[in-house]
Amino acid sequence: DIQMTQSPSSLSASVGDRVTITCQASQDISNYLNWYQQKPGKAPKLLIYDASNLETGVPSRFSGSGSGTDFTFTISSLQPEDIATYYCQQYDNRLTFGGGTKVEIK
Amino acid sequence: EVQLLESGGGLVQPGGSLRLSCAASGFTFSSYAMSWVRQAPGKGLEWVSAISGSGGSTYYADSVKGRFTISRDNSKNTLYLQMNSLRAEDTAVYYCAKDRVAAANPGGMDVWGQGTTVTVSS
Repeated sequence: DIQMTQSPSSLSASVGDRVTITCQASQDISNYLNWYQQKPGKAPKLLIYDASNLETGVPSRFSGSGSGTDFTFTISSLQPEDIATYYCQQYDNRLTFGGGTKVEIK
Repeated sequence: EVQLLESGGGLVQPGGSLRLSCAASGFTFSSYAMSWVRQAPGKGLEWVSAISGSGGSTYYADSVKGRFTISRDNSKNTLYLQMNSLRAEDTAVYYCAKDRVAAANPGGMDVWGQGTTVTVSS
């Protein structure tokens, strides 16, 4: 099974800060990697697909990069509405989610 | 509008069974793989199972293999999850989700239901 290690598990940043989350796969998954945002009590929302493609309607301050085993998710300028938990997910072999990163405002 | 509506959750005793349903609308259901994803209270997301658009291919997480069965009825635009031999650790909100692209294998999920809660307890 492919394991997805996401870090950090939580972070606190100020409005306007650049926020970076990393996700490491236990084996090469090419670019078969997605990123989701989940707000409390809500279903997850797809933000980035195939490692670096922005889903329609998602603000451009969100971005993703990487391939192989190492991936990065970035919020270029943190906004109050970005408070949520973010998850990576691989689909190279079945599907696996990372453990999540809870983003809070400092 | 693309919509997914889960139902069938509830309280069940350990060792019991439950069948979840997910009614889909607003898209060509048979063209898309579908998944079930769960979230235990206060925990992260866990993929449970997926099924191809035709229903000919199914996929399971190791934690549910042999106990859960995913199926779909494309004539009714409905996805199912039959859950047997339920354990306390199966307690979670269960979401159904639609694949983003009409491809053979499951990938990214762009539409999610609101979730249905399953509680396994005596």
